[in-house]
Amino acid sequence: GENVEQHPSTLSVQEGDSAVIKCTYSDSASNYFPWYKQELGKGPQLIIDIRSNVGEKKDQRIAVTLNKTAKHFSLHITETQPEDSAVYFCAASIGDSGTYKYIFGTGTRLKVLA
Amino acid sequence: GAVVSQHPSWVICKSGTSVKIECRSLDFQATTMFWYRQFPKQSLMLMATSNEGSKATYEQGVEKDKFLINHASLTLSTLTVTSAHPEDSSFYICSARVGGQGQNIQYFGAGTRLSVL
Repeated sequence: GENVEQHPSTLSVQEGDSAVIKCTYSDSASNYFPWYKQELGKGPQLIIDIRSNVGEKKDQRIAVTLNKTAKHFSLHITETQPEDSAVYFCAASIGDSGTYKYIFGTGTRLKVLA
Repeated sequence: GAVVSQHPSWVICKSGTSVKIECRSLDFQATTMFWYRQFPKQSLMLMATSNEGSKATYEQGVEKDKFLINHASLTLSTLTVTSAHPEDSSFYICSARVGGQGQNIQYFGAGTRLSVL
């Protein structure tokens, strides 16, 4: 079945530095890739997403890149701030005639050191 | 963004009792809602997919008689944990899918922490 691998599991960066989280998916039919931020005791919050017909998307300090051939997608956070500290999850989904289910990665705990 | 409300945020119950968790889409109609379970420091595990007006589709290994899901309207889905036991203690999160055919953005509720004594 569909599987999503996410690396690293933990990441510590100095404030102002960049952070990169990588995911690999297995099902080539996946066509939608969201990223979620989850703070302790809260539900996941959508921060950015990308569809399979696009290679890159940017929203202020956050960007996502997609390599369909390699089945990789990555989250890039620039100029990190302490409030970026959280757990980040990637996911892959099949829309259109699919079930719209998400397959989540295992999560990355990001810590931004002030 | 779209708002999903989940209630209660925290519930403590005695072993053997049933607990109902509500998930509401506040400013949109959700054809599909999803229920997840999350253990500490782990990822979200999909339990079931709930479509309005039809029976929920459960993931492999999830007991449908234990976790009853009702999706009676386009804005409300409920999860009932029946005859709860300590091993059912967990963080339960719902999400709602925005849009129609081809739209697969999910917005999540804040989660419900269930503690079974």
